[in-house]
Order: sequence, then structure tokens, then C-alpha cells
Amino acid sequence: EVQVLESGGGLVQPGGSLRLSCSASEFTFNNYGMTWVRQAPGKGLEWVSAIVGNGYDTFYADSVKGRFTISRDDSKSTAYLEMNSLRADDTAVYYCAKGRGPYSTQPEVWGQGTTVTVSS
Amino acid sequence: QAVVTQEPSLTVSPGGAVTLTCGSSTGPVTSGHFPYWFQQKPGQAPRTLIHDVTEKYSWTPARFSGSLLGGKTALTLSGAQPEDEAEYYCLLTYSGVVVFGGGTKLTVL
Repeated sequence: EVQVLESGGGLVQPGGSLRLSCSASEFTFNNYGMTWVRQAPGKGLEWVSAIVGNGYDTFYADSVKGRFTISRDDSKSTAYLEMNSLRADDTAVYYCAKGRGPYSTQPEVWGQGTTVTVSS
Repeated sequence: QAVVTQEPSLTVSPGGAVTLTCGSSTGPVTSGHFPYWFQQKPGQAPRTLIHDVTEKYSWTPARFSGSLLGGKTALTLSGAQPEDEAEYYCLLTYSGVVVFGGGTKLTVL
């Protein structure tokens, strides 16, 4: 069964940094784009970032551009989201998702999410 | 950044039909926006129902269908079941950048 599993969430102070990981299984990782989506408490879904299968193209929401960096290590079947200069409004459940194909920036198969709380 | 709009809430009777819509602030929605639809129940991760306007997954119940309708993309539920009560989100893609709609809370009552 195709699966993705997020890790790395936690409590961080405003201005701090955190790196989320997304470990994938049961599919050929380098053939698919990977996406991060977040959901603040009681709010809707917000697309955060995506990286295509070859890693050459990355995309970001305006709200995180310049602060977050998406990357992938195909040898480890893992995607990452490096988050810097964190703010209270970055508090959310962060979901990782596999895309449909190598250039997909849309989520298709979702993980269960990891919670990030930005607070002093 | 574009704004994607959905009805905040809709109600459908058990066994009835309802259409949820998803529009773009930039103009008519087309297949080039790669529309998707998702279902999310409380405390759960979202589940993808529809991709590329009309295409379903093996896990998508047959009572759900997608279309383009009046310049928007639409999700139609025919024969609503109690378990269909959920939040439904659409997304549209703009040159690789994805924008979600605000979600529609669907009540089956």
C-alpha cells in the first residue's frame, strides 16, 4: 500500500526553525512530485509547497516563500520541509502527500500529518 | 495570488443530490487548472476524490462525479449517504502553484 509518513513536528518559539520529514513507501519515489499542505486549527487546507520528481523545480505559497525550503533525497525516499523564521500563524498540522506523476504539484495520497506549534 | 471560492455550507437530504462548485478569481475554470476535489472528516486527513475535473480513484464512491459547469468546476453527489457529511475542498493550479478553496461544509440531514 502506498504510504507517506510525516515526522519532525513539535513546539518551537517564534523566529525559530524546524525541519519536517516525509518518508515514503511502496512506490518509486523519484517518479513522483511531493507536496506539503497545512491546516491551522479550525481552518481550511492551505497548500504550502511542492517539488517535482527530479527535484529541479520547486513551488511555494506566497505566505512561506523565502522562509520555507522544500527538498528531497530520492536515495532515502524522503522529502523535507525546512521551516525558518517561524511565526505564530505557521501553527498547523502539516500534511505530506504524494502527487499523481513526476511533475504533479497537487496532493493525491496523504499522510496523517505532523503538528507544528509556534509559541513562546 | 488567485482566490478560489466555494460555497461555505450546503445541506442535502439522505438519498438526495447536491452540487458543490469551485470558482477562480482569475476567470473561468478550465481543465488546465487541473481541478481536484477532497473530502475531510473531523479528526482525519483529507482524502482525494477527483482529479483533473472528472477522474475518479478506485476508492471514490460511484455517487460522486466531477464536471465543468458554468465557468466553474463542480462536484456532484447523487444519492447522499449519512457518511458523506464532511468538509469538501477543491483546488486549482496556476502554473504549478496550487490554491485551495475555503471548503464547503456538507450536512446530510
